[in-house]
Amino acid sequence: QVQLQESGPGLVKPSQTLSLTCIVSGDSINSGDYFWSWIRQSPGKGLEWIGDIYYSGISYHNPSLNGRVTMSLDTSRTQFSLKLNSLTAADTAVYSCARGSFDLGFEYWGQGTLVTVSS
Amino acid sequence: QSVLTQPPSASGTPGQRVSISCSGSGSFETNYVYWYQRLPGTAPKVLIYRSNQRPSGVPDRFSGSKSGTSASLAISGLRSDDEGDYYCAAWDDSLAVWVFGGGTKLTVL
Repeated sequence: QVQLQESGPGLVKPSQTLSLTCIVSGDSINSGDYFWSWIRQSPGKGLEWIGDIYYSGISYHNPSLNGRVTMSLDTSRTQFSLKLNSLTAADTAVYSCARGSFDLGFEYWGQGTLVTVSS
Repeated sequence: QSVLTQPPSASGTPGQRVSISCSGSGSFETNYVYWYQRLPGTAPKVLIYRSNQRPSGVPDRFSGSKSGTSASLAISGLRSDDEGDYYCAAWDDSLAVWVFGGGTKLTVL
């Protein structure tokens, strides 16, 4: 059974950088059949795709985030990470990681972690 | 940034059939649509993939269809534990992003 678990700070100050990690169990990030994604949901709003990273390390990000996103894989291939810089209150959201494919969509999700941007 | 349009709310009584629409444009016409269910306090769950396919474990009460730039999710035999938020999603070729609908809050009366 594939499981994903997000970890990171619950509170970050404006203008700082958010760093989140997604720990993957039950699968290997080395599989070329899938991509590994970050998706967020701001309070009272819908889902917003942040970006995908592939086993090759190549990542694709939502242009609406204006180049503030960095995604990476760790060398053990058991976790992947998100960095989002220049935070504002508008970045307050529940951040979720997921495993996806163009065939099945976002098939497995983590529970999500609430990140609040506030001084 | 929703470029997929869903009604904000839908409702029905137990046992009824409800339908949730999702409309888009551009590459939505030729790409797959996916439907996700988010129940209170839980992670989203994929209900429909490739526009009309159900993952194993999803009851056949849930069905998806798509024609042109419109898609819909139908739920038959409505149950109280179907209450939650439902989202459509698709890959947008022109923006090179995954896009989600704004979500539909389903209430079982």
